[in-house]
Amino acid sequence: QITLKESGPTLVKPTQTLTLTCTFSGFSLSTSGVGVGWIRQPPGKALEWLALIYWNDDKRYSPSLKSRLTITKDTSKNQVVLTMTNMDPVDTATYYCAHQYVDTAMVRLGFDYWGQGTLVTVSS
Amino acid sequence: DIQMTQSPSSLSASVGDRVTITCRASQSISSYLNWYQQKPGKAPKLLIYAASSLQSGVPSRFSGSGSGTDFTLTISSLQPEDFATYYCQQSYSTPDTFGPGTKVDIK
Repeated sequence: QITLKESGPTLVKPTQTLTLTCTFSGFSLSTSGVGVGWIRQPPGKALEWLALIYWNDDKRYSPSLKSRLTITKDTSKNQVVLTMTNMDPVDTATYYCAHQYVDTAMVRLGFDYWGQGTLVTVSS
Repeated sequence: DIQMTQSPSSLSASVGDRVTITCRASQSISSYLNWYQQKPGKAPKLLIYAASSLQSGVPSRFSGSGSGTDFTLTISSLQPEDFATYYCQQSYSTPDTFGPGTKVDIK
């Protein structure tokens, strides 16, 4: 079965760079039609889409955060890494990674499997 | 970015009630609309994709409809485990924005 798990620091200081790793099993990110995305949720607030990487290494970013985000994949390790630079207290949130299929018409079919999430607090 | 709105922001309902949640996109998104359920402290769960397709394993009391800019999620008979927050998400163009959520609680 498909599982995903986020890992990384729980506390970062303002201006630091956050590096989060999504380690998954049950699928391969070299398989056509597969994508892994990152979504975050500040405490008590709504979900925010951050970035997505496809099996073919196509990458998409939220325009409002694009200058701060980098998403990469390591197919051999079954991992996707998200880095976010210049962290600020407003970036305090639970960060999720999630699996997504893209159909033959390149339609993204929603995130069908999610990690448990990891709470990242930004504070000095 | 495509903006998503939901109404109502919250509602109180009883077990057995029929519940309808509305989602509106700031521009046409065809049928590229997904619905999620989230319970406190848990990751979201995909309920409906492509506006009306029921995700595997999701009870048939959940249904979705709509196209273009206006969409609805309907729970035909609310069950105790359905009390949660519901989010819509467009996947027409990145960033795949989410709505602000609708909290369904017990009347």
